[in-house]
Amino acid sequence: NAGVTQTPKFQVLKTGQSMTLQCAQDMNHNSMYWYRQDPGMGLRLIYYSASEGTTDKGEVPNGYNVSRLNKREFSLRLESAAPSQTSVYFCASSMAFVGYEQYFGPGTRLTVT
Amino acid sequence: SQQGEEDPQALSIQEGENATMNCSYKTSINNLQWYRQNSGRGLVHLILIRSNEREKHSGRLRVTLDTSKKSSSLLITASRAADTASYFCATDATAAGNKLTFGGGTRVLVKP
Repeated sequence: NAGVTQTPKFQVLKTGQSMTLQCAQDMNHNSMYWYRQDPGMGLRLIYYSASEGTTDKGEVPNGYNVSRLNKREFSLRLESAAPSQTSVYFCASSMAFVGYEQYFGPGTRLTVT
Repeated sequence: SQQGEEDPQALSIQEGENATMNCSYKTSINNLQWYRQNSGRGLVHLILIRSNEREKHSGRLRVTLDTSKKSSSLLITASRAADTASYFCATDATAAGNKLTFGGGTRVLVKP
């Protein structure tokens, strides 16, 4: 079991470029999440998918879009990257949306210049 | 906004000592979770404690929950160098739409 995998591990973008962060889980989990982690800020929820076929905004959704491609995969897209989006991005999954622990991927370190 | 706030922000101890960190939160919760993050890695779940529970143990970890004070503590006993990490509490509250809300974390350094 690989758990939660994320690609790429590192990325450098210029302002205005776009990219998609990929996430996949092999635990048959129903719920998936995207967080960003900035120094001293803890994790902040960007978007989540409580179940296949649904997506909802989290605390900081502006500048991002998501796609729940199937039960396994949940992607995060930056349409026009900005320096304020420089951060470490984590994908996570859980058995269900309420009452379960989350399993995290290794993260993607994104720098926008 | 951060529902859970950890205290202290940083902690330095000798190997073999106990480490205690606290988490305070503002609104009623369904459960509270503790996670560990080693430098440059993803978060790893440690313990989930539900609102009707007061104490849970897992190996060298002990978590308490006091809903009247809206606080939780994580105790690591007989610490090891491998316990060096950041520790985060996260709350699941109906008022927050059941989305996990993470605190800023406690950085723990265990010196050999």
